[in-house]
Amino acid sequence: DIQMTQSPSSLSASVGDRVTITCRASRTISNYLTWYQQKPGQAPKLLIYAASSLQSGVPSRFSGSGSGTDFTLTISSLLPEDFATYYCQQSYSIPWTFGQGTKVEIK
Amino acid sequence: EVQLVESGGGLIQPGGSLRLSCAASGFTVSSNYMSWVRQAPGKGLEWVSIIYSGGSTYYADSVKGRFTISRDNSKNTLYLQMNSLRAEDTAVYYCARTSNVYWYFAFWGRGTLVTVSS
Repeated sequence: DIQMTQSPSSLSASVGDRVTITCRASRTISNYLTWYQQKPGQAPKLLIYAASSLQSGVPSRFSGSGSGTDFTLTISSLLPEDFATYYCQQSYSIPWTFGQGTKVEIK
Repeated sequence: EVQLVESGGGLIQPGGSLRLSCAASGFTVSSNYMSWVRQAPGKGLEWVSIIYSGGSTYYADSVKGRFTISRDNSKNTLYLQMNSLRAEDTAVYYCARTSNVYWYFAFWGRGTLVTVSS
């Protein structure tokens, strides 16, 4: 199975900050990498697919990059509604696997 | 409007069986890839199973041989039959419309909680 490791596991940031979350795959996954946002008590929401393609309706302050084994999710300027947990997921090979999540908290 | 509504969760004893349903509206289940993803309380996400539009199915090793994914085209509904349930199957179960390119979970239902406990 492909292991996905996110860092950091949690971070504290202020409104307006630039935030970067990384995701590393245990072997190459090309660009089969997706990012989700999950708020407490809610289902996950798709943000970015194919490593860098922004899902329709998702604000442009979210961006993704990377290929192979190393990927990044960036929030250019944090808004109050962005405080949530973020997950990466590989779909290069079954079983599809997720990172452990990164919780973005208010500083 | 696309909508997914899961049901069928509840409290079940270890070794028991449960069938989850996911009623879809706004699109046709049989024409799409559909998945189940679960989340144990306070934990991360775990992919469980997928059914392709052509009918092929795949499972996580943790549920293989115990869970079965299926669909009823006439009801536009996805199912997850769960047998031989274990405490570690306790989770919120989400159904998700899955892209057939890049295989990401494009749209999720709100989930249904399954608790396996004596």
